[in-house]
Amino acid sequence: DAKTTQPPSMDCAEGRAANLPCNHSTISGNEYVYWYRQIHSQGPQYIIHGLKNNETNEMASLIITEDRKSSTLILPHATLRDTAVYYCIVDSGSARQLTFGSGTQLTVLP
Amino acid sequence: DAGITQSPRHKVTETGTPVTLRCHQTENHRYMYWYRQDPGHGLRLIHYSYGVKDTDKGEVSDGYSVSRSKTEDFLLTLESATSSQTSVYFCAISVGGQGDGYTFGSGTRLTVV
Repeated sequence: DAKTTQPPSMDCAEGRAANLPCNHSTISGNEYVYWYRQIHSQGPQYIIHGLKNNETNEMASLIITEDRKSSTLILPHATLRDTAVYYCIVDSGSARQLTFGSGTQLTVLP
Repeated sequence: DAGITQSPRHKVTETGTPVTLRCHQTENHRYMYWYRQDPGHGLRLIHYSYGVKDTDKGEVSDGYSVSRSKTEDFLLTLESATSSQTSVYFCAISVGGQGDGYTFGSGTRLTVV
């Protein structure tokens, strides 16, 4: 599975959009991009995933570049409760397991 | 999380003693996983199961064994606990192994003294 690179930390003002980048330059054609987050001491929570097209759900939007080498998770109106570690993962599903990297610590500031 | 429970939530044990952590699901999902989380290492896979009595090793399986005799239960055993196994342990379940369907439990904080 391809590796991902994320900034270790980011800050965002409450009510503003939080844009979390992820580089996955070695992603292969059958690998999806998944985003999970982990709020302090809790188990990780699934947010969104995509293959090629941009995706949106009630939690967030996922923008994947045309060459699929990078993506951005967008939380449109960040709240204090969005403070968490956000993990970007690429996986084809063939390994039947997810590999978590270090993630990005997002801090939403009042 | 609904449908998945871990027990115990907290445990303190002595070095050299056996310890078993339990993960129970009510979702009838095929896949179950045990991860550990330590500062500076993130989440690392210990073992996973893709069906009753079907298990495989993960990245950090040394010192751990697992068993799955029923769909709903996945047990993680530390045969002889060591201080390096002090960690937070998370169980997860998944329908088909694809990355979008993971549901994690609330975790078990294990301290080996």
